[in-house]
Amino acid sequence: DAGVIQSPRHEVTEMGQEVTLRCKPISGHNSLFWYRQTMMRGLELLIYFNNNVPIDDSGMPEDRFSAKMPNASFSTLKIQPSEPRDSAVYFCASSFSHSSYEQYFGPGTRLTVT
Amino acid sequence: DQQVKQNSPSLSVQEGRISILNCDYTNSMFDYFLWYKKYPAEGPTFLISISSIKDKNEDGRFTVFLNKSAKHLSLHIVPSQPGDSAVYFCAAGAGGGADGLTFGKGTHLIIQP
Repeated sequence: DAGVIQSPRHEVTEMGQEVTLRCKPISGHNSLFWYRQTMMRGLELLIYFNNNVPIDDSGMPEDRFSAKMPNASFSTLKIQPSEPRDSAVYFCASSFSHSSYEQYFGPGTRLTVT
Repeated sequence: DQQVKQNSPSLSVQEGRISILNCDYTNSMFDYFLWYKKYPAEGPTFLISISSIKDKNEDGRFTVFLNKSAKHLSLHIVPSQPGDSAVYFCAAGAGGGADGLTFGKGTHLIIQP
């Protein structure tokens, strides 16, 4: 298995631009999680999906952030408009949540907003 | 308010010795705890876990201890090896696995030759 796939690996954009991060979970996993890592706040959960349905988005910092999961093999995290304080590493993780707490992480997308 | 705390941002240990990483939590609803290891430019990878009904879990050189009354867990690595140098995250979960995990801020372990 290829593991969780994220794209792009690096993104540099200017303030005000729209940013879309992509994630392909491990085949067969039914839960998908988006996390953000910053020096100040560490790894924080933004939103998660079970069976493609958003369950809890209370971690999404602002309305500028949105996430979708149109099918079991694809999810996006969109920031519109982006701001410099959004600069962070964004991780996607997936799990088979019916039987396990273990989540498998992708390599992350390093976002820099100038 | 941090529900999972790793109070040591970094730890330096000599190769061959024991590394002990600590983690404290405040939420009594957590019923499962995990340790993740992270190398630079990679995602966290699962290392070892423990259910709240146990007080110890061992996997090779790695042992996790859970003290529920103190709301404290620790990861022991013995003997420490150079490849163990990484950032270690403590994480906690509740709700049977369908919910997200709450992570500590991590401890950077450096194994000195």
